[in-house]
Order: sequence, then structure tokens, then C-alpha cells
Amino acid sequence: DGGITQSPKYLFRKEGQNVTLSCEQNLNHDAMYWYRQDPGQGLRLIYYSQIVNDFQKGDIAEGYSVSREKKESFPLTVTSAQKNPTAFYLCASSNLHGQANQPQHFGDGTRLSIL
Amino acid sequence: AQKITQTQPGMFVQEKEAVTLDCTYDTSDQSYGLFWYKQPSSGEMIFLIYQGSYDEQNATEGRYSLNFQKARKSANLVISASQLGDSAMYFCAMREREDSNYQLIWGAGTKLIIKP
Repeated sequence: DGGITQSPKYLFRKEGQNVTLSCEQNLNHDAMYWYRQDPGQGLRLIYYSQIVNDFQKGDIAEGYSVSREKKESFPLTVTSAQKNPTAFYLCASSNLHGQANQPQHFGDGTRLSIL
Repeated sequence: AQKITQTQPGMFVQEKEAVTLDCTYDTSDQSYGLFWYKQPSSGEMIFLIYQGSYDEQNATEGRYSLNFQKARKSANLVISASQLGDSAMYFCAMREREDSNYQLIWGAGTKLIIKP
């Protein structure tokens, strides 16, 4: 089945540690996105990528980094510079071309907590 | 200023009743799209329905319909015959076509609880 796979489902970070969240899609979508969701809140865009080897900062990129070496993969690293990383992280993908009604498709998310 | 406003933080609705979730938006674009997503407690985001700004008819998808009032800049989601499984967070989002990055702008969400 086509879809987006995020791993791990739960992740714990120690102080001063970098952690990487995985996101893989087999939908052949051009664009991929990372969002952060805090409890009871909407989604805030961290980074997005429209093409391999290119990505753009979203609204809250500080303390995060990404790479897009393959079309299928868009990993997110939460660095030690992100002082409040506890949140729910959602990865999404979408087609950039075609009809405007194409939605973003989401993975099941990763819950990150501080130890 | 907020581009997507969902004024109802939470709602309780009796099972089998219809429910309307409010969404107002702000854009100067003539061409834009509006999306509704459902987020159950498990966390995944599920796409429900889409309305384009030039669509003449309100969008419908099964029990979901969109009450689109362009002049008032509102795109309310209507769920008919609510079920217990409809309990979830619901998010309204907008894509502005002038934004070539095709990003979505998200509302803060409405938590819907269906009572048996």
C-alpha cells in the first residue's frame, strides 16, 4: 500500500543530544513537509522540500535540520539547540503538479519527549 | 493576523445529530483552496474534504459537506448523522495559489466529542 511511514512512534531525547526522526514515502510525491504540533494546538511548519537536494525553512526552523537526498526520504534532526523539543511531529507529502485539490498526506507521527 | 480562524475550541454533540464546525479565512487571492482534516486521538491526520474558491457547488463527501460562503469567507464543515467515531480534532486549512510552495495554512482546530 502506498503511504508515509514515520519512525519511531515514540522517541526520548537526553539533554544535549541530537535525535533524528525518519519519514519515508512511496507515493512518488515531489514535496515533503515536517510539522510540529503541541498539545491542543494546530500544526506549525518546520521545514519543507519541493525537490531532491533542496529544502526551505518554515515558520519554526530554529533548532531543527533536514536533508533530502532521495525523493522518498525526508529525515528531521532535532538538535540540542532546540530547547523545548517535546511535541508531536508529523511528516506529510504532496504532489506539486496537477489539480489544486490534491491534499497533503500524513504519516502517523512521532512523539518526542525529553528524558 | 490569523489567516484561518476556528472559533470553537471544543464541542459536545449528541450521537446521530448533525454538527457544524466553523472556519473563517482571510486571503486576498482570488484562487485558493480549503481543506478539512480529522485527527483522532491516535494522532494521524485524515483528509476529509476540499473546496476550491471557484467551485460553484458546495463540496460533499459521504456524511461530510462544506458550507462555503465565499463573500463571508467562511467554509464550515457539516457532519450529518454524527457517530461516536467522529470524536476527534478537526482542522481547517487553506492553500493560497499565489504561494507557489503549495503550503497549507492551518487553523488551531476544534475538538469534537460525540456523546452516546
